[in-house]
Amino acid sequence: DVKVTQSSRYLVKRTGEKVFLECVQDMDHENMFWYRQDPGLGLRLIYFSYDVKMKEKGDIPEGYSVSREKKERFSLILESASTNQTSMYLCASSTQVWDRSYNEQFFGPGTRLTVL
Amino acid sequence: DAKTTQPPSMDCAEGRAANLPCNHSTISGNEYVYWYRQIHSQGPQYIIHGLKNNETNEMASLIITEDRKSSTLILPHATLRDTAVYYCIVRESNTGKLIFGQGTTLQVKP
Repeated sequence: DVKVTQSSRYLVKRTGEKVFLECVQDMDHENMFWYRQDPGLGLRLIYFSYDVKMKEKGDIPEGYSVSREKKERFSLILESASTNQTSMYLCASSTQVWDRSYNEQFFGPGTRLTVL
Repeated sequence: DAKTTQPPSMDCAEGRAANLPCNHSTISGNEYVYWYRQIHSQGPQYIIHGLKNNETNEMASLIITEDRKSSTLILPHATLRDTAVYYCIVRESNTGKLIFGQGTTLQVKP
């Protein structure tokens, strides 16, 4: 089974702290994604990566950065956490076959981050 | 912005078919329709996808209208474990990104 794991299910941080959210996938997928999910707003794409050391901004990249040093690992970084970054963060991965129909994204269980 | 419109909530009796509608009137000819669901406290899970033809797998059936402007996800025999938020998504053809909308909260009742 495809497995996408996230480092923590629940995380509590203080305003101004630097926060690292880690995501690891074991299916050798090229693509990895970070979303945040908020009530009434659904899932919104923060950043994604097509390959090692490559990154692309999603719809709401402000306040976030990412790192992809290894194919299986995609990290989301909050340089200086703020209260409006309290949210559920979801990581996903998929194969890189944009020209084909089957491009299922496999999601991790999510990290619920609270910034006080 | 999401390219799909779904009702915010629906109820279904256990054992009956659940039919979840989705409008995607601006879909392009080479864009696929995907359905995901999210059970409480879990990440979204892929259900099914399609382009033009109706599709069926072990989880559900997907009916796409001939003009491709709408589709219906069918869970043939809903169970209590099917209670979830169901997302209808049009996958962007140039980037492959999935743009999630608000989804439909399906409540399966005994």
